[in-house]
Amino acid sequence: ETGVTQSPTHLIKTRGQQVTLRCSSQSGHNTVSWYQQALGQGPQFIFQYYREEENGRGNFPPRFSGLQFPNYSSELNVNALELDDSALYLCASYLRGGGQETQYFGPGTRLLVL
Amino acid sequence: DAKTTQPNSMESNEEEPVHLPCNHSTISGTDYIHWYRQLPSQGPEYVIHGLTSNVNNRMASLAIAEDRKSSTLILHRATLRDAAVYYCIRRVSNFGNEKLTFGTGTRLTIIP
Repeated sequence: ETGVTQSPTHLIKTRGQQVTLRCSSQSGHNTVSWYQQALGQGPQFIFQYYREEENGRGNFPPRFSGLQFPNYSSELNVNALELDDSALYLCASYLRGGGQETQYFGPGTRLLVL
Repeated sequence: DAKTTQPNSMESNEEEPVHLPCNHSTISGTDYIHWYRQLPSQGPEYVIHGLTSNVNNRMASLAIAEDRKSSTLILHRATLRDAAVYYCIRRVSNFGNEKLTFGTGTRLTIIP
């Protein structure tokens, strides 16, 4: 186990709704990244947070937003859900400046949009 | 983003070595090569990474071509627990932002 936890494990929403996913980083890690993994695909980078600010973003629309808190935990928010948002959402944490920059992933939240 | 290219699937017999190839012909000079694996219903798990030199750790070895356009992950003695999807990844660093660019991965099946 990596020490990265995510909640909830599974979630069902309907199109147009909003969802908040949560991530608790591994102890000592100050940076968190979020990824979306569609069925049968590799994870795709959504964005990264460092010191409570977004620090890099992939090819995702603004309705995907996030927060990082002083304790380095993080949230991913998705507004106006679409059917294609159904996926496994992964967060990964690491210590920036720690010399390794190896990202450690949580088990993910599986989101189903109906 | 330029992605890595891997075979969709491979099979290997238990307790034999496994060589998983990856092509990353457009990799830039500062991008690290990472390998992660993902077991069913789990998040990706770090395996190994390198820049130019071959690397060894307790899980695997990574052989990087001299021109850095390809690499090979080597599992020295595959076990049933090594059955997973293996991702060869470019780690792109940009002012401290570390982005992992995944491809579609290789599904490794271990035959008892």
